[in-house]
Amino acid sequence: QVQLMQSGAEVKKPGASVKVSCMASGYIFSNYAISWVRQAPGQGLEWVGWISGSNGNARYAERFQGRVTMTTDTSTSTVYLELRSLRSDDTAVYYCTRPASYYPLSPFDIWGQGTLVIVSS
Amino acid sequence: EVVMTQSPATLSVSPGERATLSCRASQSVSTNLAWYQQRPGQAPRLLIYGASTRATGIPARFSGSGSGTEFTLTISSLQSEDLAVYYCQQYNNWPPYTFGQGTRLAIK
Repeated sequence: QVQLMQSGAEVKKPGASVKVSCMASGYIFSNYAISWVRQAPGQGLEWVGWISGSNGNARYAERFQGRVTMTTDTSTSTVYLELRSLRSDDTAVYYCTRPASYYPLSPFDIWGQGTLVIVSS
Repeated sequence: EVVMTQSPATLSVSPGERATLSCRASQSVSTNLAWYQQRPGQAPRLLIYGASTRATGIPARFSGSGSGTEFTLTISSLQSEDLAVYYCQQYNNWPPYTFGQGTRLAIK
């Protein structure tokens, strides 16, 4: 079955960087993009960015530009999210999610289990 | 950026009764609108896409309607397992994908 398996929880100090992974299985990795969505404690869902599974092209939400990098490793069907210069308000659960189809206008139908990132001194 | 606004913030409904949740977009998103259910401690789950199509495995008591800027999610007969936060999301104009702030559904 189609699955997205994320790496474990992280605790980081302000100013540090974090790299979260998302391993895909059960489908052809290059056929679909992956998005990252985060959720601060008790808050709603916020889209962080998108990366193509076929060519590694990425698009980021404006508020994360300059601090975020998404990459892929096609040999292991894994997507990475790196967030730098961490602040306390980056504390959140980070989800990777896959669209329902490879068409550009598609909702997210597969979600990873989430990775908790805590930023605290 | 398309701003999504959901109402009410919290809704309390008795088991077996109907729940109606609303979502408004700041500009037209056609029918490129999805609803997600997020139970406590879980990842979001796709309920409705294309404004009115149920995702695979979603019970028939969930229905969606609307187009353009006004959308509705209806749960026809509330069950205890429907306790969750519900989010709408537009995928018509991206980046960025945008979500509403959520409606918390409580069981009376």
